[in-house]
Amino acid sequence: RKEVEQDPGPFNVPEGATVAFNCTYSNSASQSFFWYRQDCRKEPKLLMSVYSSGNEDGRFTAQLNRASQYISLLIRDSKLSDSATYLCVVISASKIIFGSGTRLSIRP
Amino acid sequence: GAVVSQHPSWVICKSGTSVKIECRSLDFQATTMFWYRQFPKQSLMLMATSNEGSKATYEQGVEKDKFLINHASLTLSTLTVTSAHPEDSSFYICSARDIEGYSYEQYFGPGTRLTVT
Repeated sequence: RKEVEQDPGPFNVPEGATVAFNCTYSNSASQSFFWYRQDCRKEPKLLMSVYSSGNEDGRFTAQLNRASQYISLLIRDSKLSDSATYLCVVISASKIIFGSGTRLSIRP
Repeated sequence: GAVVSQHPSWVICKSGTSVKIECRSLDFQATTMFWYRQFPKQSLMLMATSNEGSKATYEQGVEKDKFLINHASLTLSTLTVTSAHPEDSSFYICSARDIEGYSYEQYFGPGTRLTVT
């Protein structure tokens, strides 16, 4: 089993739709969690950190479920510019593990 | 915000030659920098952790004699791909963590696209 798993997608949704994807992790001692966004041929950019209490930043909501060992990202009112690959990152004992990414494509 | 630069942004070299990639933290100091490799349509794979003033820590399966890492200062780490082969063609990305930072947030460089012919 991979340490961090994501549904690779692609998710193809219409503009304005709400889309959510999860990322599961295997190490229950994992400490920190992040969502990164990566555009084609570009470096990943931090989208948001994921806190135990959940956090929201505009149209984006990230949640952590420690009991089931997954994090989620919800995007509301999706825009064309949201099209990208979303990577989850899990930190365990200072080891940084990237998920394989979920490709999201927003269509007009 | 924290800025990390990489140089060069892309490079084409002949098989058998060596290529050096620089990673700099421009407005903060980083005791630790990370080097990743990304093949098309795949995720980032951590190659090594670069520690200022000490030897790098390589991930399993990464040849330390082929991928030489030097972290001579708090703002510069270099990755040298020695005797490059076409299978080394990839997107190499570095990241750095602010020495003053209390979280594990990383700041990524723009990446270097290496093509070995």
